[in-house]
Amino acid sequence: GAVVSQHPSWVICKSGTSVKIECRSLDFQATTMFWYRQFPKQSLMLMATSNEGSKATYEQGVEKDKFLINHASLTLSTLTVTSAHPEDSSFYICSARVRGHNPSNYGYTFGSGTRLTVV
Amino acid sequence: QKEVEQNSGPLSVPEGAIASLNCTYSDRGSQSFFWYRQYSGKSPELIMSIYSNGDKEDGRFTAQLNKASQYVSLLIRDSQPSDSATYLCAPWGGATNKLIFGTGTLLAVQP
Repeated sequence: GAVVSQHPSWVICKSGTSVKIECRSLDFQATTMFWYRQFPKQSLMLMATSNEGSKATYEQGVEKDKFLINHASLTLSTLTVTSAHPEDSSFYICSARVRGHNPSNYGYTFGSGTRLTVV
Repeated sequence: QKEVEQNSGPLSVPEGAIASLNCTYSDRGSQSFFWYRQYSGKSPELIMSIYSNGDKEDGRFTAQLNKASQYVSLLIRDSQPSDSATYLCAPWGGATNKLIFGTGTLLAVQP
């Protein structure tokens, strides 16, 4: 259980174009999803937190007008990289918090990631 | 001081040995601690979680937590080549109430 499906798994786009990445929770409702970015040989950096039906909360230094996040339903969150540039090339990963049977027992499940290459 | 510190490695151990991975964190309010394994080019997968001081065992993996020392570790017994990956420590809770990742330790298990 607790599967997050992320698409596409990889995408190559031209500089200046926009790319949309989707994350769907398949067997649970994700009221909150998290978007991370990972550059080669670096750790995951949290970009933003998206809450269903409300505006996303962005981390310091992340341009909200460039990285548009929409969480219109309990099972779908999208990240759109607008006017992409080569420096936006990275591994983008979504994550959802999953509550276990014990209220103190939970974890974060991750999508499979999207490798974005901007040329 | 970084929020979460891990030795980047690589940590090289022979097959069958015990691999010891360490992590220190700065936020004393952190409540839960997660260890993730990440293979190159893949997303992280949860190995273990621990919430209370002491040890927690799950198969070949043992997580150890010492909140007073702000230290959490992961032991992998009988290491296998398939364990070769980057191991990420991630405390949760505290001031930010977010899952914050360390830079990860690259483990290489030599056959």
